[in-house]
Amino acid sequence: GAGVSQSPRYKVAKRGQDVALRCDPISGHVSLFWYQQALGQGPEFLTYFQNEAQLDKSGLPSDRFFAERPEGSVSTLKIQRTQQEDSAVYLCASSLAEVSSYEQYFGPGTRLTVT
Amino acid sequence: GNSVTQMEGPVTLSEEAFLTINCTYTATGYPSLFWYVQYPGEGLQLLLKATKADDKGSNKGFEATYRKETTSFHLEKGSVQVSDSAVYFCALIEGGYQKVTFGTGTKLQVIP
Repeated sequence: GAGVSQSPRYKVAKRGQDVALRCDPISGHVSLFWYQQALGQGPEFLTYFQNEAQLDKSGLPSDRFFAERPEGSVSTLKIQRTQQEDSAVYLCASSLAEVSSYEQYFGPGTRLTVT
Repeated sequence: GNSVTQMEGPVTLSEEAFLTINCTYTATGYPSLFWYVQYPGEGLQLLLKATKADDKGSNKGFEATYRKETTSFHLEKGSVQVSDSAVYFCALIEGGYQKVTFGTGTKLQVIP
């Protein structure tokens, strides 16, 4: 079946522009996660949704970052007034249930480059 | 807070060589431990996991044992193949929390 999909796969933004990154999780998956992966580093947690509720946003680096999942399915990560330090790969993952031992399935990521 | 430390790469091995990638962790409770793999051009995939002390996770010839006394979860494979070339990430989830804490990744290159 279909895995987690993300769009766009690549995004180039000029500094100061707003961007929106989309994640389509696996159908029926309750939990959805966003991670940021800088070049040569491991992914770092940004935020977590259980259905439409955002239960943890402790990893969002600033108030320029905003995520939503209004119907408990598709999620959008928005970055306002992008800065060069926002350049990274943004990964989305989903899992079947809220139990922590369930496997998280990752999408291919969106590579954001801020010029 | 939680953290994961893994050996730096890149690691270059000849085909059929023995692989060890070291991983140690710091956590306040009793985490579940994971190895993820990222093949070139693909997304992260779960390779194996262990949820409690002394558990051994295994998959595709890879193994790792959860060692609470040394807070380690080293990845091993007896005979690597060219197709194992990828970046390997050690990771943990603690308790009821959902977020995965990843190490920085170790790039493995296997040459024929």
